[in-house]
Amino acid sequence: AQKVTQAQTEISVVEKEDVTLDCVYETRDTTYYLFWYKQPPSGELVFLIRRNSFDEQNEISGRYSWNFQKSTSSFNFTITASQVVDSAVYFCALNSWGKLQFGAGTQVVVTP
Amino acid sequence: GAVVSQHPSRVICKSGTSVKIECRSLDFQATTMFWYRQFPKKSLMLMATSNEGSKATYEQGVEKDKFLINHASLTLSTLTVTSAHPEDSSFYICSALRGEASEKLFFGSGTQLSVL
Repeated sequence: AQKVTQAQTEISVVEKEDVTLDCVYETRDTTYYLFWYKQPPSGELVFLIRRNSFDEQNEISGRYSWNFQKSTSSFNFTITASQVVDSAVYFCALNSWGKLQFGAGTQVVVTP
Repeated sequence: GAVVSQHPSRVICKSGTSVKIECRSLDFQATTMFWYRQFPKKSLMLMATSNEGSKATYEQGVEKDKFLINHASLTLSTLTVTSAHPEDSSFYICSALRGEASEKLFFGSGTQLSVL
């Protein structure tokens, strides 16, 4: 069985603070993909990043960075110098054989 | 980039009527599409996997007679909520798989269904 856990329900920060979102996953598959999606109030899902299970190289893309630790089954996501436009629900997801298992989501609220 | 179009974006209907939601892959062929349901402030739950030319595969607990899925072409899958009731009110999102690589998954913009 697959499971994705996002323990943080909501995180509130003041603009320019950093935000780290935690994600822990469970799977028996040896090949899988991990994703982060952003869902703004408008509802659409915005793809942020995907990582396959064989690539543990962490990445920085602008203000976003990801920390994939296979040993602890974690795939954390950090927003540096947060902005009001970053306010959204962020979902971590695990994909194996095309099916996406989503975490419960973390609501990020960035206030000016 | 790949685009998935989902229509309508919002629909309000009376209880007992049926509602059809369309999901189209605009610039690629999708043999597999997925339908998700999302309740307010909740995660997305997979309802069913739609395969072109064959019957959809429903997740446990999802009524296949209630949520009819048709994937008649490589670019179109439809979800019909039959005899809708207020408890069917939800946000429905489709996604389309590009090719066979499971990481190439693209989402529609979602449909907010409100049943009065």
